[in-house]
Amino acid sequence: QVQLVESGGGVVQPGRSLRLSCAASGFRFNDYSMYWVRQAPGKGLEWVAILWYDGINKYYADSVKGRFTISRDTSKNTLYLQMNSLRAEDTAVYYCARDLVVVAAPEAMAVWGQGTTVIVSS
Amino acid sequence: DIQMTQSPSSLSASVGDRVTITCRASQSISRFLNWYQQKPGKTPKLLIYAISDLQTGVPSRFSGSGSGTDFTLTISSLQPEDFATYYCQQSYSSLHTFGQGTKLEI
Repeated sequence: QVQLVESGGGVVQPGRSLRLSCAASGFRFNDYSMYWVRQAPGKGLEWVAILWYDGINKYYADSVKGRFTISRDTSKNTLYLQMNSLRAEDTAVYYCARDLVVVAAPEAMAVWGQGTTVIVSS
Repeated sequence: DIQMTQSPSSLSASVGDRVTITCRASQSISRFLNWYQQKPGKTPKLLIYAISDLQTGVPSRFSGSGSGTDFTLTISSLQPEDFATYYCQQSYSSLHTFGQGTKLEI
């Protein structure tokens, strides 16, 4: 079945880096746009980044632009989020998600992983 | 960036009630408006996409409507499992954004 499994979260000091992974299975990974979404403790959902199905178009929320990089390895069916210069306000559960539509402009987040927790603290 | 504003932020209702949640975009977003449900400690779930299309498996008591900048999510007859937080989200611009959420409580 369609599944997304995130990993790589943990406790990290401010200013350091962390890389999150999202292993995808049960669908043609290359054909879908993929997202990262985060949720700080007790807060709402925040859209973080998107990688279009073409593997070329990438967009970031203003809050992470220049610090975070979204990428994928199609040979491993894995999505990544490289997070540099981490701040306390980056503390959150990070979800990866798959788009609803195949080989088309992004529409909606139809499949979600269970999330991985990132805590930025000294 | 396009700002999404939901109202109310929280709402108390009873089983069987008809409930409406509103979402307003800071500019026109055409049909690119989605709704998600999140229960405490759970992953968000897509309910409605493209303003009014129900995601597979979503009960028909959920419906969406609107156009341009103003949109609504309606639950026709609240069930116990519907008490959750609901988020709207636009996918019109390159940078997608969520509303702040509406917590639906008993």
